[in-house]
Amino acid sequence: GESVGLHLPTLSVQEGDNSIINCAYSNSASDYFIWYKQESGKGPQFIIDIRSNMDKRQGQRVTVLLNKTVKHLSLQIAATQPGDSAVYFCAENSRYSSASKIIFGSGTRLSIRP
Amino acid sequence: NAGVTQTPKFRVLKTGQSMTLLCAQDMNHEYMYWYRQDPGMGLRLIHYSVGEGTTAKGEVPDGYNVSRLKKQNFLLGLESAAPSQTSVYFCASTETGGSYNEQFFGPGTRLTVL
Repeated sequence: GESVGLHLPTLSVQEGDNSIINCAYSNSASDYFIWYKQESGKGPQFIIDIRSNMDKRQGQRVTVLLNKTVKHLSLQIAATQPGDSAVYFCAENSRYSSASKIIFGSGTRLSIRP
Repeated sequence: NAGVTQTPKFRVLKTGQSMTLLCAQDMNHEYMYWYRQDPGMGLRLIHYSVGEGTTAKGEVPDGYNVSRLKKQNFLLGLESAAPSQTSVYFCASTETGGSYNEQFFGPGTRLTVL
């Protein structure tokens, strides 16, 4: 069935290091992927997205990589800062479904060591 | 713009009580959504609306009702609250339907049912 999941529920990184958060999906029809950041007590906030016709997309300090062969995507955060502490969700959707069919993963908690 | 707002922020109910959660958006978005988020889990879609006067069921609609009388507002009702409905509820909106739309989330409502 459809599923979007994360390899690790928690990730601890040293401040200044790069963070890599992974996500696996199983729906071959998925063609749009989104990463959200959720800080404590707040709603999810859009970080970056990628369409299936791309392998890589970069934003400010963030990069998303998509490997359609193994149905895997990752979020890379460069020079991790204390403000990056949050839960990160991946989500996926298909061009054959509406926005109502966005499926969210369970999230990875990123903590920063000083 | 305030974006997506939710009221109340917190609420405690006794089993069997009813309540309504209000979501408002000032971005003139067509689509609106209600999600629930339980500990260690991703967001699950309760109900959604593709426009004023329309509503549809999501993944977990039982025990909830919704109304979209005005384009900017989306109400979520619990007719007879149960402890299983203890959760954090998030409202979201998108400009239109289709898969390539960023969802904007509200700050959430934390509901406890005793």
